[in-house]
Amino acid sequence: QKEVEQNSGPLSVPEGAIASLNCTYSDRVSQSFFWYRQYSGKSPELIMSIYSNGDKEDGRFTAQLNKASQYVSLLIRDSQPSDSATYLCAADYGGATNKLIFGTGTLLAVQP
Amino acid sequence: DVKVTQSSRYLVKRTGEKVFLECVQDMDHENMFWYRQDPGLGLRLIYFSYDVKMKEKGDIPEGYSVSREKKERFSLILESASTNQTSMYLCASRPQSSYNSPLHFGNGTRLTVT
Repeated sequence: QKEVEQNSGPLSVPEGAIASLNCTYSDRVSQSFFWYRQYSGKSPELIMSIYSNGDKEDGRFTAQLNKASQYVSLLIRDSQPSDSATYLCAADYGGATNKLIFGTGTLLAVQP
Repeated sequence: DVKVTQSSRYLVKRTGEKVFLECVQDMDHENMFWYRQDPGLGLRLIYFSYDVKMKEKGDIPEGYSVSREKKERFSLILESASTNQTSMYLCASRPQSSYNSPLHFGNGTRLTVT
């Protein structure tokens, strides 16, 4: 069974701090990974994608991938109250299918 | 910009009714998906389709069926709605050469079955 695991949280950080969200996956075949942000009652929206080992930066967001450890993370610098949401990690199923496997999400709360 | 449109934002139906959830995408994507999302359970795949008239079961297909008569449209059908199908339903699409492409989600349909 292919799985993506996240700590459900809540992860509480003060405004201006760095929020670190983590995700592990069970299938070594998975090659591409995605972070989605989901506000309460809304649908997921893409934040970052990453396919290669190492870091990928986009504004205040940095995604990190370590395929040897099967570990993906998302760092949010200078966290703002508007970053408070659930963050979903997803892994590409690999092979001939085009499915993504999602974690259950981590709830982030940024305290003003 | 990819647009995935779900026909209803909120629906209230009675137990036993046949329910249709409609989804349309405008980017000519081959793959379309239906998920449901429940607190603590995350996103669970119900059905997906990789081409017109083609469908594959996801992780929780029981009580659901789907229809894809046109490439841009993917319908989820609850043959006889039950209260345990009260949930948020999310449609998504993705191109065929999708290794580096994310899923694009619609706005979701909040279904309540009473």
